[in-house]
Amino acid sequence: NAGVIQTPRHKVTGKGQEATLWCEPISGHSAVFWYRQTIVQGLEFLTYFRNQAPIDDSGMPKERFSAQMPNQSHSTLKIQSTQPQDSAVYLCASSTRDWGQDTQYFGPGTRLLVL
Amino acid sequence: GDSVTQTEGQVALSEEDFLTIHCNYSASGYPALFWYVQYPGEGPQFLFRASRDKEKGSSRGFEATYNKEATSFHLQKASVQESDSAVYYCALSDTKSNYQLIWGSGTKLIIKP
Repeated sequence: NAGVIQTPRHKVTGKGQEATLWCEPISGHSAVFWYRQTIVQGLEFLTYFRNQAPIDDSGMPKERFSAQMPNQSHSTLKIQSTQPQDSAVYLCASSTRDWGQDTQYFGPGTRLLVL
Repeated sequence: GDSVTQTEGQVALSEEDFLTIHCNYSASGYPALFWYVQYPGEGPQFLFRASRDKEKGSSRGFEATYNKEATSFHLQKASVQESDSAVYYCALSDTKSNYQLIWGSGTKLIIKP
């Protein structure tokens, strides 16, 4: 059973360009999470989908960040007008249940570098 | 809000040494507690969890016991190997949302061959 798949693994963009990151959750998992990891801030929650519906985007920087889950097999995180401070590892995770304190399983992450 | 504290930023040991990485938390109620391990270039890997006071979680020789009174979930291993070199994260499931993971700052474990 494949784990969470994230593509691309690495992405380099110029300042002001758009970046789209893809996540394929584990088959059968109904909850999908996005986190951001930096040396300074550590791991930070960005957003959460339950059964494809957006539930909580309280961690998303407003204006430039957006996330979607058009079907149960993939989610995207889009960053418009990227800035150097957006450079980070973006992690996607999924869990089996859509409620409760379930275990989240992480993908390998997408390392984004904004020049 | 809920929080997790890992006091050691880095731990350096020799092979076969005993490992303890300290994790203390602040939260109301009974949050689920987790240990994850992260190797270079990879995402955090789930190690194990505990959900109730005095419950022990374990995997791959690592273990930790949920201590409600001390608000702790310390990671231990009796005899570390070079392959255990990684960053270890303690996390809890936020008691307000019930799904958002609140992370410690991580502890880098270095095993000297």
